[in-house]
Amino acid sequence: DGGITQSPKYLFRKEGQNVTLSCEQNLNHDAMYWYRQDPGQGLRLIYYSQIVNDFQKGDIAEGYSVSREKKESFPLTVTSAQKNPTAFYLCASSIFQGVANSPLHFGNGTRLTVT
Amino acid sequence: QKEVEQNSGPLSVPEGAIASLNCTYSDRVSQSFFWYRQYSGKSPELIMSIYSNGDKEDGRFTAQLNKASQYVSLLIRDSQPSDSATYLCAANKAAGNKLTFGGGTRVLVKP
Repeated sequence: DGGITQSPKYLFRKEGQNVTLSCEQNLNHDAMYWYRQDPGQGLRLIYYSQIVNDFQKGDIAEGYSVSREKKESFPLTVTSAQKNPTAFYLCASSIFQGVANSPLHFGNGTRLTVT
Repeated sequence: QKEVEQNSGPLSVPEGAIASLNCTYSDRVSQSFFWYRQYSGKSPELIMSIYSNGDKEDGRFTAQLNKASQYVSLLIRDSQPSDSATYLCAANKAAGNKLTFGGGTRVLVKP
């Protein structure tokens, strides 16, 4: 079955350490996204990529980095510069249709806890 | 002003009744709108998409869009306890496919 795989489901890190969250999709979607969700809040966009080897900052990119070397993969690194990294991280993908929009398909998320 | 706003709730609804959820958006050029359902601890799943003014029905769900008033709503008919979740409204940006989400409305359906 096609879908988006995020791993791991739960991740624990010490403050000051960088950590990379994995996101792989086999839907052949062009666009991929990273969102962050805090308790009781909506989703906030961190980074997005509409094509391989290209990505743009979202609304809260500070303290995060990404790469898009392959169409299927869009890993997110949470760096030590991120002040409040504990959150639920969601990866998503969509067919990129220019101005027309297609809905986002989400992975199951990674819950990151930094102490 | 937030770009997409929703009442956080909780919206308490008796089983079998209609749940009515509202969403307003500030970007007048927004073109596409989506409703997602999110169970606690899970990822969002798409319920409805709507692009044109008027109503769109899918099973027990009806989405309504009024671009002049910059207003989107979701009706859930014959509400079931399994409908208890947080419902996220999302609107596109004018360029590309960059969705902006509201904070979500928590719905509780009581048996």
